[in-house]
Amino acid sequence: DGGITQSPKYLFRKEGQNVTLSCEQNLNHDAMYWYRQDPGQGLRLIYYSQIVNDFQKGDIAEGYSVSREKKESFPLTVTSAQKNPTAFYLCASSMNRDRLANQPQHFGDGTRLSIL
Amino acid sequence: GNSVTQMEGPVTLSEEAFLTINCTYTATGYPSLFWYVQYPGEGLQLLLKATKADDKGSNKGFEATYRKETTSFHLEKGSVQVSDSAVYFCALTLLNAGNMLTFGGGTRLMVKP
Repeated sequence: DGGITQSPKYLFRKEGQNVTLSCEQNLNHDAMYWYRQDPGQGLRLIYYSQIVNDFQKGDIAEGYSVSREKKESFPLTVTSAQKNPTAFYLCASSMNRDRLANQPQHFGDGTRLSIL
Repeated sequence: GNSVTQMEGPVTLSEEAFLTINCTYTATGYPSLFWYVQYPGEGLQLLLKATKADDKGSNKGFEATYRKETTSFHLEKGSVQVSDSAVYFCALTLLNAGNMLTFGGGTRLMVKP
């Protein structure tokens, strides 16, 4: 079945360590997104990518980095510069805006990151 | 700018009660509107959508009508079940913003047997 796969489901980070969250989609979507969700809160956009080899900062990009070398993959690295990384991270994808406007985003099941 | 405002939760109902979760928006232009549902420990799933004024989105017994005059997209269900317990997010996107979503803060629904 087509969908978005995030891994791992749970991740622990030590002080000063960078960690990378994986996001893979087989929906043939051009656009991909990363969100952060804190307990009892809504979603905040970290980074997004509308096309391969291009990505843009969202509202809370500091302390995070991404790459988009393949259409199917949009990994997120939480760097040591992110001082409060404990949160639930959600990846999403959607059809390219030039083909079909106002298409919904499809979400993965998330990765829960905690500090050791 | 664009924004979405939802009623604060938690909303606690007994099984078979009527549900309304209010959602209002502000947007520069003509948005498409969505409701997403998040079950515990999972990602978001699209519940329903409406792309123009007076459209009614519906799915799994849930409904929401795009009201341009009141800039609202309230979610309703006639008879809730325990399995409907989740967090519900209202969101919008604009034609000139591609598929970038603006989310409300979410409303937690708890249904008791």
